[in-house]
Amino acid sequence: KAGVTQTPRYLIKTRGQQVTLSCSPISGHRSVSWYQQTPGQGLQFLFEYFSETQRNKGNFPGRFSGRQFSNSRSEMNVSTLELGDSALYLCASSLFGQNYGYTFGSGTRLTVV
Amino acid sequence: AQSVTQLDSQVPVFEEAPVELRCNYSSSVSVYLFWYVQYPNQGLQLLLKYLSGSTLVKGINGFEAEFNKSQTSFHLRKPSVHISDTAEYFCAVSDLGDYKLSFGAGTTVTVRA
Repeated sequence: KAGVTQTPRYLIKTRGQQVTLSCSPISGHRSVSWYQQTPGQGLQFLFEYFSETQRNKGNFPGRFSGRQFSNSRSEMNVSTLELGDSALYLCASSLFGQNYGYTFGSGTRLTVV
Repeated sequence: AQSVTQLDSQVPVFEEAPVELRCNYSSSVSVYLFWYVQYPNQGLQLLLKYLSGSTLVKGINGFEAEFNKSQTSFHLRKPSVHISDTAEYFCAVSDLGDYKLSFGAGTTVTVRA
C-alpha cells in the first residue's frame, strides 16, 4: 500500500515569506501529526488532527498553523518565515492515534535564506 | 510534560555483536512507549511499541525492548546486529489521551565489520 506522501520534498524560501506543506496519509488513516526535526532541538511536536479536528498543539508560535481536510489530507502553513524555521518537517499518520503506531513520511526539507 | 532521556548519543558496535540502547522517561503515570528508527534521508519507522501487558516487547528486524515501570525505562536490545542496522534510533513516549509523542534526542548506532 502507498505510504505517507509529503510534498514538496525540498523547498527554499526567503525570510518573511510564507510556505504551505502538504501531507497525504495512508488510505484509511484518520489521524495526522506534524513534527519539526532540527539538529539542535531534535524532534518536536507541532500538531495532531483527527477527522478535521485539532486534538493537540505543540509549543510553537502562531505563525505555525495546520488543517486537515475531509479526505484526511493535511497541510501545514508557516507564515513570516524566519531563519530558525529551517528544518525537516515530518508528517505521520495513524488509524486513530499514536497508540496504533505512526507511519512517517520522508519529510519536507525547508531551507529559509 | 513528558521528558525522554536517551543516555547514549552514539553507540559504535561490531557486526554480530549485541547492542542495547537506553531510554528513560519522566512520568510515572500510564504511558505508551515506542522505539523508532531513522535511516539517512528518510522518515521514521516504527520498531516496536508498548501499550500494556507483557513488559517484554518484540519488534521488527529482531529488536526487542523491556518496559520497567519502577525505573521508568524502556531499553532497546538486539542480540546480533548487522551493517544494515546503522541508523539513528529514537525513543518516544506518549501519555494516554495526549495524542502526541515526546521524543528523546536520538542514539546513532554505527555498525562496523
